[in-house]
Amino acid sequence: GQNIDQPTEMTATEGAIVQINCTYQTSGFNGLFWYQQHAGEAPTFLSYNVLDGLEEKGRFSSFLSRSKGYSYLLLKELQMKDSASYLCALPADSNYQLIWGAGTKLIIKP
Amino acid sequence: DTAVSQTPKYLVTQMGNDKSIKCEQNLGHDTMYWYKQDSKKFLKIMFSYNNKELIINETVPNRFSPKSPDKAHLNLHINSLELGDSAVYFCASSPFSGADSPLHFGNGTRLTVT
Repeated sequence: GQNIDQPTEMTATEGAIVQINCTYQTSGFNGLFWYQQHAGEAPTFLSYNVLDGLEEKGRFSSFLSRSKGYSYLLLKELQMKDSASYLCALPADSNYQLIWGAGTKLIIKP
Repeated sequence: DTAVSQTPKYLVTQMGNDKSIKCEQNLGHDTMYWYKQDSKKFLKIMFSYNNKELIINETVPNRFSPKSPDKAHLNLHINSLELGDSAVYFCASSPFSGADSPLHFGNGTRLTVT
């Protein structure tokens, strides 16, 4: 079967760096997504990693290690608007649907 | 604006009623989805259509019936609403049907059944 684990909640300070981890178990692998969801809003796409390594997009970077079943989202120069839930998701073995983690609620303090 | 739009944003109704949620996307995507997000924030797929054809039909009570009149629209009709149906329902679209295709979500419909 497939399983995704993320911390439930994290707190960080404005201007700092935070790393949100996601570990997964899957028999096949077809990439891993990160989405951001502000409270009361829709999830929005952040990144998609297929190959091992770090991909950088401005203040946000996403890392993948397929051999370890591990990914993280790195947020730099944190801003108050980064307070949101961050959802990790990967395609199911059938490749027709996404399996979603429960999300990590990130709280940014001044 | 190019987007996925769904209506209504809020829906409050009593048990036993029948209600519909509408979704439209003008992104030119081939695939549309209905997701349910419960109080614990888990997103679960309910249905997926590719070019008006049903391709995913998860274990959802048959009180839920999707309809796709064309590839830009996917509506969700719910019969005999129950308390447990209270959740946020998200419509989404993607360029193609593979699960490696990024999703574009609508703003959600918060359904409250009393």
